[in-house]
Amino acid sequence: NAGVTQTPKFQVLKTGQSMTLQCAQDMNHEYMSWYRQDPGMGLRLIHYSVGAGITDQGEVPNGYNVSRSTTEDFPLRLLSAAPSQTSVYFCASSYSIMAGMSDTEAFFGQGTRLTVV
Amino acid sequence: KQEVTQIPAALSVPEGENLVLNCSFTDSAIYNLQWFRQDPGKGLTSLLLIQSSQREQTSGRLNASLDKSSGRSTLYIAASQPGDSATYLCAVCHGTDKLIFGTGTRLQVFP
Repeated sequence: NAGVTQTPKFQVLKTGQSMTLQCAQDMNHEYMSWYRQDPGMGLRLIHYSVGAGITDQGEVPNGYNVSRSTTEDFPLRLLSAAPSQTSVYFCASSYSIMAGMSDTEAFFGQGTRLTVV
Repeated sequence: KQEVTQIPAALSVPEGENLVLNCSFTDSAIYNLQWFRQDPGKGLTSLLLIQSSQREQTSGRLNASLDKSSGRSTLYIAASQPGDSATYLCAVCHGTDKLIFGTGTRLQVFP
C-alpha cells in the first residue's frame, strides 16, 4: 500500500512565487489535513477536510489555500510565498470520528521541506 | 484551549534501560490519544492509539497508558535499543478529528 504520498520532497521558492504541494492517499480516508513543523513549535494544523468538497481552517491558515475535489487528493497552495513559510509540511489522513469511525489512526506522508528565499 | 506537554524534551540512555516518556493534556474531553515516532528528516509513524475508553495499549516492547481524568499518558519502552533513537510525539484527538501535538521527546539510546 502506498499510504499517504506527498510531492515534492524538497522545494526552494523565491519570495512571491506560488506553488502547490500535492498529497494523495489510497486508504479511502474521509479526513485529511496539512501541518507545518517548525523547530520548537511542534506540528501546527494549517487546513483540514472531513470529505470531498468540505474544507476548514486550522490554527495557522494564513497564506495557504486548499481544496478537496476527490476523496484521494488534498493539495495545499501557497499563494505568494514568504520566508516565514519556510518549514517542513506534512499531510495526514485518517478515518473520521465525525463519520462515526472509532479507529482513527492517523497516517502521515514523508513531508515536503520548503525553503523560501 | 487544549494544550499538550511532553516531558522530558530530551533523553539519553544506555542500551537496555526501561524508559518512560510522559505526555500531559489540559482538557480531558478527548476522543483518543496517539503516540508517534519520527526519525530525523522523515514523516511520523503511528505507534499506538488509545481510545478514550481504554486504559492502555501494547505493541511489542511498547506500552502506552492513558489516565484521562488526570490528563496524562505515558509511553513505556522496555529494554531500549539504539534503533529506538528518534523523537516521540503524542497527540490528542480533541474536538472533531483534529490532532493536537506535543513538542516531542528526543530519545537517544547509546550502545
